[in-house]
Amino acid sequence: QKEVEQDPGPLSVPEGAIVSLNCTYSNSAFQYFMWYRQYSRKGPELLMYTYSSGNKEDGRFTAQVDKSSKYISLFIRDSQPSDSATYLCAMSGGAQKLVFGQGTRLTINP
Amino acid sequence: GAGVSQSPSNKVTEKGKDVELRCDPISGHTALYWYRQSLGQGLEFLIYFQGNSAPDKSGLPSDRFSAERTGGSVSTLTIQRTQQEDSAVYLCASSSLREQYFGPGTRLTVT
Repeated sequence: QKEVEQDPGPLSVPEGAIVSLNCTYSNSAFQYFMWYRQYSRKGPELLMYTYSSGNKEDGRFTAQVDKSSKYISLFIRDSQPSDSATYLCAMSGGAQKLVFGQGTRLTINP
Repeated sequence: GAGVSQSPSNKVTEKGKDVELRCDPISGHTALYWYRQSLGQGLEFLIYFQGNSAPDKSGLPSDRFSAERTGGSVSTLTIQRTQQEDSAVYLCASSSLREQYFGPGTRLTVT
């Protein structure tokens, strides 16, 4: 079993929809949680960073962490075609290596 | 400001040759990481440098892989006697605290 599980998709939704992306993890030592967006042939771009249970909002993006269930989510409101990319969850137990999910490939259809 | 830069952006090499990949981290970042991204394996940690401490090499897949970081800044990842399974995108990241910022990667193809 992988430490971090993420449905690879692909996920296709119409423009304007709310998108929900999720990851589960098994290592209770993970304390820091990140979401990255990666466009084709580009490096991952940091979208959200959280270290506590609860919600964190930044514009159209909301990151949610539930440590008791070992479950994290990223919500995208009013999705745009420019949001089409692969979304990677990542987590760590400290200032060390990140463990990544497989990534979810998302397409927003105009 | 300037982000993480990597060179070359693409590298094609013959099986058995050695390659060197370069990473320039964000100025002032004390931590530097190398990851590998390949189809079917996702993003995998390779090695981590933090200041003057001994690097964490726990992710290096074999002794053909090595890395160094000179002067606490630029890093070079070296792969000796390349194999076809080494074909992947090699990503470098740097951080000052917890958040890691990635470069564009080097796409390595071993023929």
